[in-house]
Parts: sequence; C-alpha cells; structure tokens
Amino acid sequence: SYVLTQPPSVSVAPGQTARITCGGNNIGSKSVHWYQQKPGQAPVLVVYDDSDRPSGIPERFSGSNSGNTATLTISRVEAGDEADYYCQVWDSSSDHEVFGGGTKLTVL
Amino acid sequence: QITLKESGPTLVKPTQTLTLTCTFSGFSLSTSGVGVGWIRQPPGKALEWLALIYWDDDKRYSPSLKSRLTITKDTSKNQVVLTMTNMDPVDTATYYCAHSIAAAGKEGSYGMDVWGQGTTVTVSS
Repeated sequence: SYVLTQPPSVSVAPGQTARITCGGNNIGSKSVHWYQQKPGQAPVLVVYDDSDRPSGIPERFSGSNSGNTATLTISRVEAGDEADYYCQVWDSSSDHEVFGGGTKLTVL
Repeated sequence: QITLKESGPTLVKPTQTLTLTCTFSGFSLSTSGVGVGWIRQPPGKALEWLALIYWDDDKRYSPSLKSRLTITKDTSKNQVVLTMTNMDPVDTATYYCAHSIAAAGKEGSYGMDVWGQGTTVTVSS
C-alpha cells in the first residue's frame, strides 16, 4: 500500500511562509490534494491537483509536486491558518485514496 | 449549493454492525463523474479513507477494511449508506462523507471538495 509521510508539526511566525511536505514514492507522478482541518471541524479542501485552488481559498495557499515530495506553501501566514493539514493521493495499484498522517501547523 | 449530512447511531456494541447514512443535496449521484466517499478520524488521530461509490455504481474500498465494508447508494433518496461489520472499540471515530468528482478513468478525483459535518460513533459494551 502507498505511504504518504508528513512531518508531525511545523511552526512559523505570523507573516512568514510555511511549507508542509508530503513524501511518497514518485509522488510527482500523482495528483496531490491538500486539506485544512481546524479543531472540531470537518476538513476543507485547500489545494487540488497539486496546485489548483478551489474557489474561496486565498491565493496565499499554493502547492507544488515533483519527484518524491509534494509541498503545500502558505504565504503570509495568519493566526487563522493554525490547523492540521493532510495530503491525499490516489493509490492506483489498489484503487483507493490514501491520506498522509497530517501536520499540525502552529503559528507562533 | 452542495451539502452532505451523516446520520446513524452514536453508540454501538462490539461485534455489532454499524450502518451510517449520508444524505446529500445540491447534486445528483446519477450525474456522470460524481462520487461520494466515506472517511473516518479516530479521536486525536489522522484521517482514514474508507470507501467511495461512483455515479455508475462502481465502488472502491480501503484494502485493509474491505472485508467489513459495504457502500451502496439510493439515487432517488439522495443517500449513500455505509455498513461496517464486526465493530470493535478501535473503530471509535468521527465518520465523514464527502462529495468528489472523478478524474479521467476514475484514477482518483479532483479532491473531496465538500464534506459533511461528521458523526461520532463510539464502540463500547
């Protein structure tokens, strides 16, 4: 089964740039989606297909994907961005979705 | 506007079968490309994808839980039902359903773009 590896935590000061990685074998050949989940709330899709944003998601959220690492970048971080972030891909070898273990973003 | 809402028991006993219903509006599960999936999240833990049903009744399951899961749809009622057999305390979690649009060839999707609020299920005797 395909494994996605995320750092458990990332910390950043307000106004700085946060980068959250998602590692997987040749993940650059897959489409990666990213979700934001705040405490007590359902996840929200913030980036799909590596780098596209759903309507209503600020331009501060961007994504990239190459080689064995996909990255969610949050520019000009705000206190309201503090949340858990999950990456997701489709495992074509066994026809199912896979989530990463999640990264807790702390805004200092 | 797409909305989804999960419903079902809040407490089940070990070995029982869990039945959850996702009732949705704002889209039709008979429209080409549309899918509804189930995801769960144990307390304090990560998201875990469970199952997905497509507009054409094609189904996908988590390999680790496939033997215990069944997903079905009732297009006329705008509902998707997930059953999970032989429940165990480790299955205690918040269960979510979500809308997605299938990518070409059903090789994944364009992300789960709308989620329900989730329903909490506790497994305990």
